Amino acid sequence: DAKTTQPTSMDCAEGRAANLPCNHSTISGNEYVYWYRQIHSQGPQYIIHGLKNNETNEMASLIITEDRKSSTLILPHATLRDTAVYYCIVRANAGGTSYGKLTFGQGTILTVHP
Amino acid sequence: GAGVSQSPSNKVTEKGKDVELRCDPISGHTALYWYRQSLGQGLEFLIYFQGNSAPDKSGLPSDRFSAERTGGSVSTLTIQRTQQEDSAVYLCASSVARDGEQFFGPGTRLTVL
Repeated sequence: DAKTTQPTSMDCAEGRAANLPCNHSTISGNEYVYWYRQIHSQGPQYIIHGLKNNETNEMASLIITEDRKSSTLILPHATLRDTAVYYCIVRANAGGTSYGKLTFGQGTILTVHP
Repeated sequence: GAGVSQSPSNKVTEKGKDVELRCDPISGHTALYWYRQSLGQGLEFLIYFQGNSAPDKSGLPSDRFSAERTGGSVSTLTIQRTQQEDSAVYLCASSVARDGEQFFGPGTRLTVL
């Protein structure tokens, strides 16, 4: 019962920006948008999260629409090592059924090619 | 510093046997989570511990599954009378607090023959 919708797969050329969309039209006011990724045979890795403002860190940027019903994860200069499954997750940071635990959907398989 | 560690990395067992999986969280992390990942179900939450509070067991699939966390640190996930559908990668994660970023271990791959 994941609350997000993502494309099944995407391709990106090495060195170009990868833009991964996510729809979360039923997001609640106290829920954040989190992004994790899972490289083959490894545990998931945290990337970034945000509530309503755009966020940027050393890995990526997160753009959240004003109505908060969708967001885009941007990897500005994709490398071959960014090939992974990317999960968009909504999670409350205080109270509610989504507090604490992560509910993973199927994610987007991003393939970065030379 | 050391990340989350799990042992064993691989476990093969026979149907009906009990297994114990271990998780060593990052030192100082008060929250600890167990997830499992199987081909048919994707990544699913099992149980989580937060400090001295009662654990959230809402994700455990049956009463054959149990977990404990001793001294607020190491956790053990126990599966009794294993079944073939229990075959999966069992992942442990820890975070500084309940609302913090979760750091995942490498997982234990369980195969039930």
